[in-house]
Amino acid sequence: DIVMTQSPDSLAVSLGERATISCKSSQSVLYSSNNKNYLTWYQQKPGQPPKLLIYWASTRESGVPDRFSGSGSGTDFTLTISSLQAEDVAVYYCHQFYSAPYTFGQGTKLEIK
Amino acid sequence: EVQLVESGGGLVQPGGSLRLSCVASGFTFSSSWMHWVRQAPGKGLVWVSRINTDGSSTIYADSVKGRFTISRDNAKNTLYLEMTSLRAEDTAVYFCASVRIPVGYDYWGQGTLVTVSS
Repeated sequence: DIVMTQSPDSLAVSLGERATISCKSSQSVLYSSNNKNYLTWYQQKPGQPPKLLIYWASTRESGVPDRFSGSGSGTDFTLTISSLQAEDVAVYYCHQFYSAPYTFGQGTKLEIK
Repeated sequence: EVQLVESGGGLVQPGGSLRLSCVASGFTFSSSWMHWVRQAPGKGLVWVSRINTDGSSTIYADSVKGRFTISRDNAKNTLYLEMTSLRAEDTAVYFCASVRIPVGYDYWGQGTLVTVSS
């Protein structure tokens, strides 16, 4: 099984400041046939289902604000929120869609400092 | 508007059974691979099971293999999760999610809570 490890577990950032979340996979999630990383980021607010933010490690889902960006390849990935807004308070999960079981990171809780 | 609506959750005793349903609308359900994902109270997301478009291929997390069965009825736009031999550790909100291949889960239901307790 591919183990997904996020850091930190929680993060407090001031409004307007940058937030950075790391995600590491225990093996590569780069699919060689199309050179895509099967790594997705989700945002989950309290009482709501997760929402797709970033797929293929760096492609922003339609409608997602451009302050959200993803980077990385292979086993190391990063989600960055360039200028934190109040509505970004949530738990963020990375997820590998490379092979079953389709494992998630443990989540990073993002709060306002 | 895309909607996934789960139902069937509730309180069940250890060793008991439940069948969850997820009714889809607003997209072509019969063309979508579907998954179940669960979330224990205050915990993270855990993948449970996956089914292909016509139901001929299914896979499960080791923790539920042999106890849970995923199925679908494309004529009714409905996904199911039959859960047997339930344990306390199965207590969670169960989400159904549609897949945009090979991206990930593009739509999620609101979830249905399953509580296994005596």
